[in-house]
Amino acid sequence: QKEVEQNSGPLSVPEGAIASLNCTYSDRGSQSFFWYRQYSGKSPELIMFIYSNGDKEDGRFTAQLNKASQYVSLLIRDSQPSDSATYLCAVRGIKAAGNKLTFGGGTRVLVKP
Amino acid sequence: DGGITQSPKYLFRKEGQNVTLSCEQNLNHDAMYWYRQDPGQGLRLIYYSQIVNDFQKGDIAEGYSVSREKKESFPLTVTSAQKNPTAFYLCASSEAGTGGAYEQYFGPGTRLTVT
Repeated sequence: QKEVEQNSGPLSVPEGAIASLNCTYSDRGSQSFFWYRQYSGKSPELIMFIYSNGDKEDGRFTAQLNKASQYVSLLIRDSQPSDSATYLCAVRGIKAAGNKLTFGGGTRVLVKP
Repeated sequence: DGGITQSPKYLFRKEGQNVTLSCEQNLNHDAMYWYRQDPGQGLRLIYYSQIVNDFQKGDIAEGYSVSREKKESFPLTVTSAQKNPTAFYLCASSEAGTGGAYEQYFGPGTRLTVT
């Protein structure tokens, strides 16, 4: 079992709709959870992070964390063609020395006009 | 402007040659990291450093070496021992410590091709 798992996609979403991305993790003691966006050929850029159960909203993005079920999700509201990218989930485990992050393989999102 | 720079953007080398990738940050971050990304894959940690003159192996350190002589700089050498060095190399930095999120910020990356 991979430590951090994401559906590779592509997740095809009509413009204006909600994109829902999921990420599951195996380390039950994980502390912090991050979502990065990566455009093709570019480096990852941080969208948001969450470390408490529940929802955290930032503009059109909402991160949702459920530690009991060991998943974290990202919702993108009013999806735009510019949201087409790969979204990486990263997790910091309880045993993570040096603030190490473990990354999932990413979910590719395609927003169709 | 604060940020992380990596050079060069593209690098081509012949098999059997060592090559050094540069990473510099002016964010005053204590921690720095090197990742490797292969096409269609996530990021895998090569080495990380939490403080000057100290660094630790990540998940795929074989065939790589690093140094951390200055807080701002964390160069990565890809040696001839690395069996499949062609990849996209990403440098990141963060604050260090415990009890915080300590999110990592990435440089623009270096795309290395070895033939």
